[in-house]
Amino acid sequence: SAVISQKPSRDICQRGTSLTIQCQVDSQVTMMFWYRQQPGQSLTLIATANQGSEATYESGFVIDKFPISRPNLTFSTLTVSNMSPEDSSIYLCSVAPGFDQPQHFGDGTRLSIL
Amino acid sequence: SQQGEEDPQALSIQEGENATMNCSYKTSINNLQWYRQNSGRGLVHLILIRSNEREKHSGRLRVTLDTSKKSSSLLITASRAADTASYFCASLGRGNSGGYQKVTFGIGTKLQVIP
Repeated sequence: SAVISQKPSRDICQRGTSLTIQCQVDSQVTMMFWYRQQPGQSLTLIATANQGSEATYESGFVIDKFPISRPNLTFSTLTVSNMSPEDSSIYLCSVAPGFDQPQHFGDGTRLSIL
Repeated sequence: SQQGEEDPQALSIQEGENATMNCSYKTSINNLQWYRQNSGRGLVHLILIRSNEREKHSGRLRVTLDTSKKSSSLLITASRAADTASYFCASLGRGNSGGYQKVTFGIGTKLQVIP
């Protein structure tokens, strides 16, 4: 199974700033997903990022707030822009060889905004 | 409405006992997956059961699927303290054209196994 490294593992940021989270996979994968997990809650899909195409955002999430890059089959970034305390969450990337296959997750980025 | 709702939301048992967690979903699915999340970590895939399967085993784990009731259960037998974690079901919906929809995660069951 794929090994996923996510950076940073945690950060404390000031209101109004932006943070870019990196997700590196040790093998080429077709599908990559970005999730948000608010404290004590389940996972909510932010967007699906496929190489060579624009990310597909879920309802309630927009590109201006969460721009995503997917330059190749092993790497992606998620930027959380103009952060507010409501953005305090764990952000997780995951990969899957296909849409109907199990996902493999990174350990997440725990983000706190002051 | 939320796809994939687990119950109970929290479960505390003694080591050696069995733990059963249930998951309900609302639309037709392609498959249903169970994941474990240890505190401060990412999710780890446990079992995937397809819509045409009724039961699946993996070690001490047993998953059942009842598509007529739109429900699934995860049984952990002979629990260990190391099983303490949150458990999530995730359903892959079937689109109107037969294609796939996104995977939707349930709210999770927090399991505590007391040594």
